[in-house]
Amino acid sequence: AQRVTQPEKLLSVFKGAPVELKCNYSYSGSPELFWYVQYSRQRLQLLLRHISRESIKGFTADLNKGETSFHLKKPFAQEEDSAMYYCALSGLDSILLGSVCAGGTSYGKLTFGQGTILTVHP
Amino acid sequence: GAVVSQHPSWVICKSGTSVKIECRSLDFQATTMFWYRQFPKQSLMLMATSNEGSKATYEQGVEKDKFLINHASLTLSTLTVTSAHPEDSSFYICSAKGSYNSPLHFGNGTRLTVT
Repeated sequence: AQRVTQPEKLLSVFKGAPVELKCNYSYSGSPELFWYVQYSRQRLQLLLRHISRESIKGFTADLNKGETSFHLKKPFAQEEDSAMYYCALSGLDSILLGSVCAGGTSYGKLTFGQGTILTVHP
Repeated sequence: GAVVSQHPSWVICKSGTSVKIECRSLDFQATTMFWYRQFPKQSLMLMATSNEGSKATYEQGVEKDKFLINHASLTLSTLTVTSAHPEDSSFYICSAKGSYNSPLHFGNGTRLTVT
């Protein structure tokens, strides 16, 4: 079974301070991890995914399989970073097509954490 | 970037009526669409996975006769909540992706209130 845990519901920091949003997961296979962000009155959108190893808006996240973690970090928080952040996991799935089983990586079936509300104070 | 449009954004209906929610991919062909449900102060929960032209796969505990999903084209999936009751009141969100390794794109969600 897939499980994602974000232990902090609320996180407050001051502008310019480092920020780390914690995410731990449980999955027996090879996971794909994502961070999604939802700004006020906007839709949920992809922030980054671990396979791309990108840095988006100054945020980075490293997959630590030993600690089963995928914490989101930013060295200097900005006020516009205030939002709800969701960590999500997708496992390797096989796709059934009639009687034929096709293997492949599925980024579809996401399991979400509970979310962390980040507030960056001026 | 890829856009997913969900309609309506909110709906209020009387108990016993059926409500249809549409999810459209505006600038890409969505081979797979997903429907989620979010209760207040809780995370998104996957309800079903829908592949174009085939029957939806429902998650455990989700009544397929209650939540009818149709994915007749590569740009449109619909979720129909049949004979809605107050306990069906929730926030419903769809997402869509193109090829198997493309990221998910989310709709804005639909707030359903059943009175």
